[in-house]
Amino acid sequence: EPEVTQTPSHQVTQMGQEVILRCVPISNHLYFYWYRQILGQKVEFLVSFYNNEISEKSEIFDDQFSVERPDGSNFTLKIRSTKLEDSAMYFCASSRRGQAGNTIYFGEGSWLTVV
Amino acid sequence: DAKTTQPPSMDCAEGRAANLPCNHSTISGNEYVYWYRQIHSQGPQYIIHGLKNNETNEMASLIITEDRKSSTLILPHATLRDTAVYYCIVHYNQGGKLIFGQGTELSVKP
Repeated sequence: EPEVTQTPSHQVTQMGQEVILRCVPISNHLYFYWYRQILGQKVEFLVSFYNNEISEKSEIFDDQFSVERPDGSNFTLKIRSTKLEDSAMYFCASSRRGQAGNTIYFGEGSWLTVV
Repeated sequence: DAKTTQPPSMDCAEGRAANLPCNHSTISGNEYVYWYRQIHSQGPQYIIHGLKNNETNEMASLIITEDRKSSTLILPHATLRDTAVYYCIVHYNQGGKLIFGQGTELSVKP
């Protein structure tokens, strides 16, 4: 069964450093997403991406965050200058279409620890 | 997106059916009901979704009341591996923004 894959599974970084989290969405999907989950809290939407541009973003997704689809298979989340509160599990997701009724599939996550 | 209400926790005996309720009294006509689950801190796993009719797949059944104000996810023969947090989400949104609540923590016991 096709799946969303994410790398790295775990990254430790120093505060202020830049981090790039990588994702390979399911191959025939056109909509891509990032969510995050701080330990013990809810899964939160960060951003959705379609046709090489951001479709929607949450309040969390401020100027320190950016997303990119650098080639035909990868989808990345960059955090420019990490803060302690960015420590969380980051989930990439994808769907074939964006309309309601379509299924969104999640990856296993990248656990980011900022020290 | 409409808000959902789920019990915070439930227990189920292994091999028995697990029936997880969800209230979504403010759901609108074009909102779908989705169910996901999360095992430990793994990625949310899609289970099933529906609009009006009851749905069944290899994992579960989804029963939606006629007025669509509530639904029940049924795991017909729960196993220990079904222990997880189950999220009921109502969703109509161009763009895939799912709003997760706290979910129901299901414990399947031997």
